[in-house]
Amino acid sequence: QLQLQESGPGLVKPSETLSLTCTVSGASISSNSYYWGWIRQPPGKGLEWIATFYYSGSTFYNPSLKSRVTISVDTSKNQFSLKLSSVTAADTAVYYCARLSGTSRWWFDPWGQGTLVTVSS
Amino acid sequence: SYVLTQPPSVSVAPGQTARITCGGYNIGSKSVHWYQQKPGQAPVLVVYDDSDRPSGIPERFSGSNSGNTATLTISRVEAGDEADYYCQVWDGSSDHWVFGGGTKLTVL
Repeated sequence: QLQLQESGPGLVKPSETLSLTCTVSGASISSNSYYWGWIRQPPGKGLEWIATFYYSGSTFYNPSLKSRVTISVDTSKNQFSLKLSSVTAADTAVYYCARLSGTSRWWFDPWGQGTLVTVSS
Repeated sequence: SYVLTQPPSVSVAPGQTARITCGGYNIGSKSVHWYQQKPGQAPVLVVYDDSDRPSGIPERFSGSNSGNTATLTISRVEAGDEADYYCQVWDGSSDHWVFGGGTKLTVL
């Protein structure tokens, strides 16, 4: 059974870099036909797509975040990571990782349980 | 950028039918996916490719998509269906993923 689990600091200071890791079990992130992605949700607000990637190279970013986002992949650990630089209070959110299926239609399923990151001094 | 518009809230009595809309320019030409999110939980896919259901999702959940509106229909609504619902598409022209603003379903 495929499971995803986010991990990382729950508190980040303004102007610093938020770093999260998604650990995948039950499937390989090197599998063909799947993308992987990050989504976030500020408290009390809706879902916001952050980035999507294919393990062998293609990465796509939300234009509003692109300049601050870095995605990396560690296939040996079956993990992928998100770094978001120069954070502000507006980056406070629950961050989710997910697998994407459905070539050229692309839905998110399943999702990790999410991890709350608070930006505060 | 592509925009998806959902009503902020929908209310329905138990046993009735709830319809949640998702508006977007020519959305009928795209595949629409729907997620259910209960408080404190991660979103769960309930409909993909406009009208298909993942395994384990009740047949009461169905979807349609045409023109400028996609619709998630929940038949015989139960108290446990109370949640936020989000629509989502992949915009192939830009390789961006877009979510609607979400609709809170209240079961009266």
